[in-house]
Amino acid sequence: KAGVTQTPRYLIKTRGQQVTLSCSPISGHRSVSWYQQTPGQGLQFLFEYFSETQRNKGNFPGRFSGRQFSNSRSEMNVSTLELGDSALYLCASSWDTTKNSPLHFGNGTRLTVT
Amino acid sequence: GENVGLHLPTLSVQEGDNSIINCAYSNSASDYFIWYKQESGKGPQFIIDIRSNMDKRQGQRVTVLLNKTVKHLSLQIAATQPGDSAVYFCAEGGAYNFNKFYFGSGTKLNVKP
Repeated sequence: KAGVTQTPRYLIKTRGQQVTLSCSPISGHRSVSWYQQTPGQGLQFLFEYFSETQRNKGNFPGRFSGRQFSNSRSEMNVSTLELGDSALYLCASSWDTTKNSPLHFGNGTRLTVT
Repeated sequence: GENVGLHLPTLSVQEGDNSIINCAYSNSASDYFIWYKQESGKGPQFIIDIRSNMDKRQGQRVTVLLNKTVKHLSLQIAATQPGDSAVYFCAEGGAYNFNKFYFGSGTKLNVKP
C-alpha cells in the first residue's frame, strides 16, 4: 500500500506570496491532518479534515487554510507568506477517528520563505 | 495547549545496549499515546502506540510503558542498533480531540558503534 504522498517536496517563495501544498493519504484513510514542524516550536497541529469537513483546528492565523476533496486528498494554503512560515509541513492520514488511530505521516514539504 | 515534554534532549548509547526515552504529559484526559521516530529528511514514522486502559505494550524490540498516576510515558528499545539513531517523539491525544495530537519536543538518540 502506498504511503502518504506530499507534493512538492521543496518550495521557495517570497514574502507576501501564497502557496498551496498537496497531500494524498493512504488508500482507505479518510482523515487527513496537517502539522507544521520548526526547530523552535516542534510539531504543531494545523487542522484535521474528515469527509471534506474541517473538524479540528490549531492556533494558527487565518492565513492558513485547507480543504479536503471527495477522494480524501487534501490541500493546504498559506496566503501572504511571512518569513516565520518557513517550516516543514507534514501531512498525516489515519483510518479511524472515533477511537483514535495512529497518524501516518508523509515526508513533508519543506517551505522556505525569503 | 497541552504540555508534552521530554526529560532528555539527547541520549547516547552503545550499540547493543538498551535505550530508554522518557516523556511527560500534562492532560489527564488524554487516553491515547504514540511514539514516533523521525530520521533526517523524513516524516515521523509510527513505532508503537498505547491506550490508557493499558500500562505496557510490546512490539518488536520496543516496549512502551504508561504510568497514568504520574502522567509519564517511556519507550524502551532493546539491543539498540545504529539504525535506531534518530529523533524520537511522543504524542498525546484522545478520542475527545479527534486527531489533534500534542507532540513532545523530541529526543535525539545517538547509537555509538
